[in-house]
Amino acid sequence: EAQVTQNPRYLITVTGKKLTVTCSQNMNHEYMSWYRQDPGLGLRQIYYSMNVEVTDKGDVPEGYKVSRKEKRNFPLILESPSPNQTSLYFCASSLGLAGANEQFFGPGTRLTVL
Amino acid sequence: GQQVMQIPQYQHVQEGEDFTTYCNSSTTLSNIQWYKQRPGGHPVFLIQLVKSGEVKKQKRLTFQFGEAKKNSSLHITATQTTDVGTYFCAGRPYTEDTDKLIFGTGTRLQVFP
Repeated sequence: EAQVTQNPRYLITVTGKKLTVTCSQNMNHEYMSWYRQDPGLGLRQIYYSMNVEVTDKGDVPEGYKVSRKEKRNFPLILESPSPNQTSLYFCASSLGLAGANEQFFGPGTRLTVL
Repeated sequence: GQQVMQIPQYQHVQEGEDFTTYCNSSTTLSNIQWYKQRPGGHPVFLIQLVKSGEVKKQKRLTFQFGEAKKNSSLHITATQTTDVGTYFCAGRPYTEDTDKLIFGTGTRLQVFP
């Protein structure tokens, strides 16, 4: 089944404790993105990747890192999480440019930073 | 910065009534996409519009892209309880040569039986 998976689905952590949210897709998509969703703000793009080893900043990259060592995986890293990073995070992938192709979203990761 | 606003933020309708959400961008867009997110779920792609003035239909849903490619609308005829969810538009700014995608703020639709 074609899908995007994320882990963990729920995470409660404390300020400053490094964490990684994994994202994997099995559709051989070149393009992957991370978004955060906050009430009243919609989805905001954090980072995107157009291919292996190619990543770029979205609208809200501060406090986040990503890597794209393999085509299928695009982990999101919070080196020193803070409470304002409490949010619902979605990973997405697409065959081509996200802005010109259907994006497939993962199930989401709800992160709480205390 | 570049923004995409959607109105209304919330809409409650009786089943059978029509519903429209509007999407307005501060900048010209290359194209516009629409997504639906059910409560507790993830966004699911509905459609993409590319041409100025384009209109597309999917059963009871009608999507429009403005002539200036700065606004769009989604109209649902005779809503059903299965239409409940939040509808997002998303667009790529015309001047961007990157893959930045800007989502609208979303319209949450509640349908009462």
